[in-house]
Amino acid sequence: GQSLEQPSEVTAVEGAIVQINCTYQTSGFYGLSWYQQHDGGAPTFLSYNALDGLEETGRFSSFLSRSDSYGYLLLQELQMKDSASYFCAVRDRAGGFKTIFGAGTRLFVKA
Amino acid sequence: DVKVTQSSRYLVKRTGEKVFLECVQDMDHENMFWYRQDPGLGLRLIYFSYDVKMKEKGDIPEGYSVSREKKERFSLILESASTNQTSMYLCASSPILADEQYFGPGTRLTVT
Repeated sequence: GQSLEQPSEVTAVEGAIVQINCTYQTSGFYGLSWYQQHDGGAPTFLSYNALDGLEETGRFSSFLSRSDSYGYLLLQELQMKDSASYFCAVRDRAGGFKTIFGAGTRLFVKA
Repeated sequence: DVKVTQSSRYLVKRTGEKVFLECVQDMDHENMFWYRQDPGLGLRLIYFSYDVKMKEKGDIPEGYSVSREKKERFSLILESASTNQTSMYLCASSPILADEQYFGPGTRLTVT
């Protein structure tokens, strides 16, 4: 079957660094994405990793290890506006490259 | 900018009613998706479509059907609404080989 696991909640202080982990199990892994969703808003795309390694986009970085079926999202210089839910999502060859989302991690940034 | 619009932000229907949720995208994307989002469960894929008149079942298609008669429009149909279909429904689109999905604002459906 297909499954993703990520922590339900993470709390961090403004200006700090936080890492949100995601482990996955799929039959035909193709790539790992991250989405951000603020309360009442739509999910927005943050990053995508198909190959092992770190991808950096401004304050956000995403890492993938295919051999460990593991990835993480790293948020640096946390700001209050980063308080949101973060979803990892796996693109799976099974069933026509559909995307499967994790349950989401709620990030609380404190002053 | 890519724009995905959904017909309603909030909808209240009665049990047994037939419900239509409409989604329109303006970027000529081949792929379109319908998800439902429930607390603690993330986004679960109901149906998706790679092209006009094509559809594929997602993880939770039971009780739903879809229609894609035009490339820009993807409709989700609840044949006979039930209270367990009370949820937030999100539509998304993407180019055919792209990984980034663009989401609409969502429709919060309440079935009473």
